[in-house]
Amino acid sequence: GDSVTQMEGPVTLSEEAFLTINCTYTATGYPSLFWYVQYPGEGLQLLLKATKADDKGSNKGFEATYRKETTSFHLEKGSVQVSDSAVYFCALSDRGYGNKLVFGAGTILRVKS
Amino acid sequence: DAGVIQSPRHEVTEMGQEVTLRCKPISGHNSLFWYRQTMMRGLELLIYFNNNVPIDDSGMPEDRFSAKMPNASFSTLKIQPSEPRDSAVYFCASSADSYEQYFGPGTRLTVT
Repeated sequence: GDSVTQMEGPVTLSEEAFLTINCTYTATGYPSLFWYVQYPGEGLQLLLKATKADDKGSNKGFEATYRKETTSFHLEKGSVQVSDSAVYFCALSDRGYGNKLVFGAGTILRVKS
Repeated sequence: DAGVIQSPRHEVTEMGQEVTLRCKPISGHNSLFWYRQTMMRGLELLIYFNNNVPIDDSGMPEDRFSAKMPNASFSTLKIQPSEPRDSAVYFCASSADSYEQYFGPGTRLTVT
């Protein structure tokens, strides 16, 4: 079945450091890919998405490119802030399964000032 | 837009009691999802509905769990009888067929 694998955390960075959170997937079809973010005590929020190969999703300084050849969707940000501290989830949706999302385990990001 | 509304936000109950969690999806959304989040198991999809019809309940852990969606604006997740291992944060999410799911704030359930 479909699956998503994320790098284990926690990831601890200093403010203004460069961020990469790795995400790879397996899917039988042509999935859409997502990054969701969960701030402490809240539900998940959509951060960005990409629906086809080579698409780049971007939002709030975060970017991720849909790489079909490497089945990856790594999240990057050039300069993190303390307010970016949260849990980040990579997810996919394969049309063969309706609009159900398959989530990765989540990666905790801690940014220190 | 009020977003997805869940109630209660916190629930503390004793083992063996019935627990009912409630969700109001975003108006116009036709898919609704129930998730459970724990430290040990992460985020798990329990069940999802499309146009008020249950499509996939394979994630429901056992017969003690049941979910209903009597109309497009309301869903419940019931646990009867509850057990300590059911302690978790339960999220409801809704979607309008765009694969973008909008999550509610969650219900933190503690079963003692």
